[in-house]
Amino acid sequence: EVQLVESGGGMVQPGGSLRLSCAASGFTFSTYWMNWVRQAPGKGLEWVANINQDESQKYYVDSVKGRFTISRDNAKNSLYLQMNSLRAEDTAVYYCAKGLMTTPNFFDPWGQGTLVTVSS
Amino acid sequence: EIVLTQSPATLSLSPGERATLSCRASQSVSSYLAWYQQKPGQAPRLLIYEASNRATGIPARFSGSGSGTDFTLTISSLEPEDFAIYYCQQRSTWPLTFGGGTKVEIK
Repeated sequence: EVQLVESGGGMVQPGGSLRLSCAASGFTFSTYWMNWVRQAPGKGLEWVANINQDESQKYYVDSVKGRFTISRDNAKNSLYLQMNSLRAEDTAVYYCAKGLMTTPNFFDPWGQGTLVTVSS
Repeated sequence: EIVLTQSPATLSLSPGERATLSCRASQSVSSYLAWYQQKPGQAPRLLIYEASNRATGIPARFSGSGSGTDFTLTISSLEPEDFAIYYCQQRSTWPLTFGGGTKVEIK
């Protein structure tokens, strides 16, 4: 069974940093694109970033470019999101999601998410 | 950026009824559109990808159609577990974007 388990969320002050992790199991992690998608409280979904199998391709939504960095460790079956210069508007549940094999920019499945709260 | 507009915002129906949800793109996305279902307190689940392909394990009562700018998700006969929020998502152009969602609630 495919499992994605996020961790690393919490409360941080504006301007602070946080590193999210996603532990993957149940599939060959190194052969799939991986994604981060977020959802602000009571709001809709927003794609944040994704990364290809060997880290040679990384894409970001404009609002996080220069502040967030996506990375992965295929030996550890893990995906990461380094978040710097955090703002109040980054407050959200952050989901890790696996790309489909044939269409990597659709997401299935998703983890249960980790909550990031940016507040003073 | 491609904007996806979902309508209606809320759909009030009874179990057994047919649900028709719309997603309109601000420019053509070809068939590069997916639908997700999200229940309260849960992560989203992929239902449909490439406009009309059901994801693994998704019941046949869910179907998707459309291309270009107009797409439809149809639930042929609502089951109690289908009351949820549904989102569309495009992969045609960066950034990947989602619609604002349609809430299907019990009438």
